[in-house]
Amino acid sequence: GESVGLHLPTLSVQEGDNSIINCAYSNSASDYFIWYKQESGKGPQFIIDIRSNMDKRQGQRVTVLLNKTVKHLSLQIAATQPGDSAVYFCAETDDNFNKFYFGSGTKLNVKP
Amino acid sequence: EPEVTQTPSHQVTQMGQEVILRCVPISNHLYFYWYRQILGQKVEFLVSFYNNEISEKSEIFDDQFSVERPDGSNFTLKIRSTKLEDSAMYFCAWGDRADEQYFGPGTRLTVT
Repeated sequence: GESVGLHLPTLSVQEGDNSIINCAYSNSASDYFIWYKQESGKGPQFIIDIRSNMDKRQGQRVTVLLNKTVKHLSLQIAATQPGDSAVYFCAETDDNFNKFYFGSGTKLNVKP
Repeated sequence: EPEVTQTPSHQVTQMGQEVILRCVPISNHLYFYWYRQILGQKVEFLVSFYNNEISEKSEIFDDQFSVERPDGSNFTLKIRSTKLEDSAMYFCAWGDRADEQYFGPGTRLTVT
């Protein structure tokens, strides 16, 4: 079956630095990818998405990069802030959007 | 984004008992989902629901599980006979488009 996984379980960065969180996926038929942020005790919160016909998308302080050749997704957070500390999940689905697969998560620790 | 509430926030039940978890969107939405997250693990897809029908379900969503939208505003997940391994956070998600998902705050289910 499909699988989505993350390279690093934890990432510690200094406040103000840029963060890069990586994700690998195995289903080449996946058409749509999402990054979620999950703070302790809360549900996942949508950050940014990207479709398979794009390789880069930018939001506020966040950029998602998609490399379909190697089935790799990354989330870049610029000028990381303490409020960015959370677990970050990537998720994927195909063009039916009926079933979303989540990765195992990366915990981001932002040091003041 | 509009808020979704989930009730109860925490449910403790004995093994073998039935539980009903509720998700209350404040207005009508089209797409609904249930996910679960075992403590410390990734978010797992359970079921998607559209037009009052199940669109897709995972292998986790066996005959013990059912979903319903009984009155147009509540969206429920029923577990008929709970097992210890059903202990997890259960999140509902909703959207107005197939590529859109907003998550509720979750219900913590503890099976003893």
